Amino acid sequence: GIQVEQSPPDLILQEGANSTLRCNFSDSVNNLQWFHQNPWGQLINLFYIPSGTKQNGRLSATTVATERYSLLYISSSQTTDSGVYFCAVPSSNDYKLSFGAGTTVTVRA
Amino acid sequence: DTEVTQTPKHLVMGMTNKKSLKCEQHMGHRAMYWYKQKAKKPPELMFVYSYEKLSINESVPSRFSPECPNSSLLNLHLHALQPEDSALYLCASSQNVPTGEKLFFGSGTQLSVL
Repeated sequence: GIQVEQSPPDLILQEGANSTLRCNFSDSVNNLQWFHQNPWGQLINLFYIPSGTKQNGRLSATTVATERYSLLYISSSQTTDSGVYFCAVPSSNDYKLSFGAGTTVTVRA
Repeated sequence: DTEVTQTPKHLVMGMTNKKSLKCEQHMGHRAMYWYKQKAKKPPELMFVYSYEKLSINESVPSRFSPECPNSSLLNLHLHALQPEDSALYLCASSQNVPTGEKLFFGSGTQLSVL
């Protein structure tokens, strides 16, 4: 099946800093999703981004499908950005999403 | 309304108990899912319902029994669980199957089996 790798595994930021999270995938995909799981377990869909760039407030994402990677940018980080960020792509069996292992982000005040 | 609502938020049960987890969405989505998530791991798919019919069972033990009473509701019935079944159980929905569609998650039920 498709392999999804996220880096870095852990990231500690000072409030106000910017950061970039990366998601590599091993095969062609027709879409990619980024999720944020807050410390209480809620998983929020941040972006549905097959290709190109999208922005949502201080967050933006870019997917380069031909090179099999996606980037998530966090600007002017806030403590509420803490949590685990997952990327996910469809497996060869369309019904199933393959998740990366996640990047744990800790933003310190 | 873009919410998936799950109840209860927390559940503690003994190995001989029977309990149920509930999930509700009012987005008109026709696909609903149950995921299991262990600490510090990504979610793992358990079941997929498409148009109220069970379409996928990821070889889940029979002590977990899903039910979809209507297009807005999804239940997960639990019986004779083991301590290793302790985890966060997440419900999700999407407009349709396949899950190439955008997925919306509920806030989960944190289950502890004693």
